[in-house]
Formats: sequence, structure tokens, C-alpha cells
Amino acid sequence: EPEVTQTPSHQVTQMGQEVILRCVPISNHLYFYWYRQILGQKVEFLVSFYNNEISEKSEIFDDQFSVERPDGSNFTLKIRSTKLEDSAMYFCASSKAGGPSYNEQFFGPGTRLTVL
Amino acid sequence: AQSVTQLGSHVSVSEGALVLLRCNYSSSVPPYLFWYVQYPNQGLQLLLKYTSAATLVKGINGFEAEFKKSETSFHLTKPSAHMSDAAEYFCAVSNNNAGNMLTFGGGTRLMVKP
Repeated sequence: EPEVTQTPSHQVTQMGQEVILRCVPISNHLYFYWYRQILGQKVEFLVSFYNNEISEKSEIFDDQFSVERPDGSNFTLKIRSTKLEDSAMYFCASSKAGGPSYNEQFFGPGTRLTVL
Repeated sequence: AQSVTQLGSHVSVSEGALVLLRCNYSSSVPPYLFWYVQYPNQGLQLLLKYTSAATLVKGINGFEAEFKKSETSFHLTKPSAHMSDAAEYFCAVSNNNAGNMLTFGGGTRLMVKP
């Protein structure tokens, strides 16, 4: 069964460093998403991406964040200068199409980011 | 704006007992509602979804949920709990624009006692 994969499973970085979190969405999916979950808090939407551009982003997704689909398979989230409060589990998701009727988002296992 | 409230961050039931996980939502537009389950060290898996068709929705693993507009609720139930149901359950609401953003509740950890 096809699944969303994410690497690494755990990333430790120093405050101020850049990190890139990687995701491989399901191959025939067209919409891609990043969510995060700070320990003990809700899963929060960061950004959705379609046709090589951002469809929607939340207030959390400020200038230090960027997303890219560098090739036909990967989808990345870059945090330019990490802060302590960026420590969280980051989930990638993908869906076949947009619109809620078809919007079953398939989630990856997550990358736990720890900023020291 | 939309939001989701899950009453009870932890629910404990005995094996074979009824499972009831509560979800209330607020949405300025007709909502689309989802329940996801997360097993340890795994991603979120869709259990079921409501997309304005039947108000009683059946999902995987024997779970179902009923959309009640008057109560703004979408509670998740299962008649008989199994040990393998122990996990964290998230209710989510989707907006209707192309961004497909999901807004999640805080999650409910279900524990099943033998």
C-alpha cells in the first residue's frame, strides 16, 4: 500500500541553524501539506502546496519557512533560522485532489525536530 | 474561522465496552469533518469522514460517527472496544477553499483495559 514517507525521523539542531525536512508524498497525489504538533498541543496546519505554488498558509508559516518540490518525488520544508519554539513533530501529508469531498489527506510518520 | 473541541484528553474503557469520543466544532460554512487515529510512532490514519452525504458515517475498524448539525457535534463511537483500539484520536474540520486546511482538535487518548 502506498504511503507517505518522511526523513529523518528525528532531527536535532542548534538554535539559528537551518534545517530541511524531507517528505516523499504518494506518487499520484497532487496536493501536499505540512502540519506540526508541539508536544502536548494540537496538530496545526502550516501550508498546502499545489501545482508548484503555495495554496494556503497559516500565520505560523512566516518568512523563516519555505517549501519546495525540487523534483518529481520530494517535498521539503525548510526552516531558515531555527528557534527553540520550532521544536515539534512535523507531519507531511498528501492528497489526490483538492476540495473536501476528495480530500483524504494521507499523513507520514512525522519528523521530530529538537532545537537546542 | 473554524475550530474543534474534543472533550476529554484521556478516555479509559474496558475491553468490550462502548467507546464514545466527543467532538464539537464551529464553522462559518457547512463543515466537512474527519476522524483520524494515531498509533504510537505512526502517522495519522483516516478513520472516517463526513462530506454532507449521510449523517451517520461508517469507518474502518468498526467505528462510526454521527453528524448532528443542531448540536454542532461529530462524536465517534464503537460498540465494543478492542485492545488494539488503544491510540490517540483526532477530530478535524476542513474549510471549503482550495487550500484544504484541516483544523484539528486537541486529541483524545483512548486506553482499553483488559
